[in-house]
Amino acid sequence: DARVTQTPRDKVTEMGQEVTMRCQPILGHNTVFWYRQTMMQGLELLAYFRNRAPLDDSGMPKDRFSAEMPDATLATLKIQPSEPRDSAVYFCASTPGQGSHTEAFFGQGTRLTVV
Amino acid sequence: AQSVTQLDSHVSVSEGTPVLLRCNYSSSYSPSLFWYVQHPNKGLQLLLKYTSAATLVKGINGFEAEFKKSETSFHLTKPSAHMSDAAEYFCVVSDRGFKTIFGAGTRLFVKA
Repeated sequence: DARVTQTPRDKVTEMGQEVTMRCQPILGHNTVFWYRQTMMQGLELLAYFRNRAPLDDSGMPKDRFSAEMPDATLATLKIQPSEPRDSAVYFCASTPGQGSHTEAFFGQGTRLTVV
Repeated sequence: AQSVTQLDSHVSVSEGTPVLLRCNYSSSYSPSLFWYVQHPNKGLQLLLKYTSAATLVKGINGFEAEFKKSETSFHLTKPSAHMSDAAEYFCVVSDRGFKTIFGAGTRLFVKA
């Protein structure tokens, strides 16, 4: 049963610490998205990659957030330094890619709490 | 440019009555449209999708949606609500499989 896997599921950290969230997209999917969900803002697209190259990261605060795909099976989202306002659920999603008009498959999310 | 507007932030229905969740979109191209459901503390699950085939799309759990180009709408309906349908629903627009834009969500409450 193919699925997007995110780790960790929950993370509590202190303000100022570095946080790294990981995502394993579905094998063969070449487009990966990072979303952030909060009560106030709803679902926001932070960044997305195609064939490991960043296509759009305009939704991401550049000063503290970074997203990478070291290889086709791993996407990472890093926050350094973390702040309480970063507390949210972060979702990763993957799709087969351009022109396929298929849905995005979502992971279960990483619930981040910055205290 | 793409955008999607969910017209109701909350909808409350009684069990056994019809459900209507409204969504309007704008897109520069022929869009793909989706409805996702999110149950509390869960990820998002696809309910149904429209990709320029039949305008009436059937999804899981008895949901369906109709694509109306003239009205730029893609409303989600279900003839009879179940308690298990209580969740948040997201309307999504995607151009050519690129960037996906989510609506703000509609929280559905189902009363016994």
